[in-house]
Amino acid sequence: GENVEQHPSTLSVQEGDSAVIKCTYSDSASNYFPWYKQELGKRPQLIIDIRSNVGEKKDQRIAVTLNKTAKHFSLHITETQPEDSAVYFCAAKGSRNRDDKIIFGKGTRLHILP
Amino acid sequence: NAGVTQTPKFRVLKTGQSMTLLCAQDMNHEYMYWYRQDPGMGLRLIHYSVGEGTTAKGEVPDGYNVSRLKKQNFLLGLESAAPSQTSVYFCASRLAGGNIQYFGAGTRLSVL
Repeated sequence: GENVEQHPSTLSVQEGDSAVIKCTYSDSASNYFPWYKQELGKRPQLIIDIRSNVGEKKDQRIAVTLNKTAKHFSLHITETQPEDSAVYFCAAKGSRNRDDKIIFGKGTRLHILP
Repeated sequence: NAGVTQTPKFRVLKTGQSMTLLCAQDMNHEYMYWYRQDPGMGLRLIHYSVGEGTTAKGEVPDGYNVSRLKKQNFLLGLESAAPSQTSVYFCASRLAGGNIQYFGAGTRLSVL
């Protein structure tokens, strides 16, 4: 089955600097890669996603890149702000059959330092 | 449109007690999931369902049972709670053929 590895587990950056979180996946059939943000005590919420036929997607200060050959994808946050402090999860979804599941990485706790 | 609703929000159990967590969604989603979240472990899939009357095991199914008698509801049961089941439980749902997964607000369970 699919396995998603996420690094780093904790990341601290100065406010205004950029943050990068990296993930690798094992199943070459995976075709959808979402990123979820979870604030303290809240539910995970989708912030950006990318399909396997696209190499990069951007939404304001957030971007995701995908390298299908290497089976890795990354989240980039530019001009970080205090409200970016949260746990971020990457995930991958296969397309093999109707039981395809979204498998999550273990998460990255991002701290934005004042 | 409430989305995904979980009840209860908090619960404290004694070892050996049983309980049922309820997940309800009003988006007509076919797929529903139960995850547990523990520090440093991310979101681990317990059980899931691809439609009314069907369920399947996820990564960590032991000690849990589920039922999907109605399309909008997915129940997670603990028959004999253990301290190792202390966790935050999240339910999620999505459309068959869709990608976006919507989460409930979570249930914080402590087993003493």
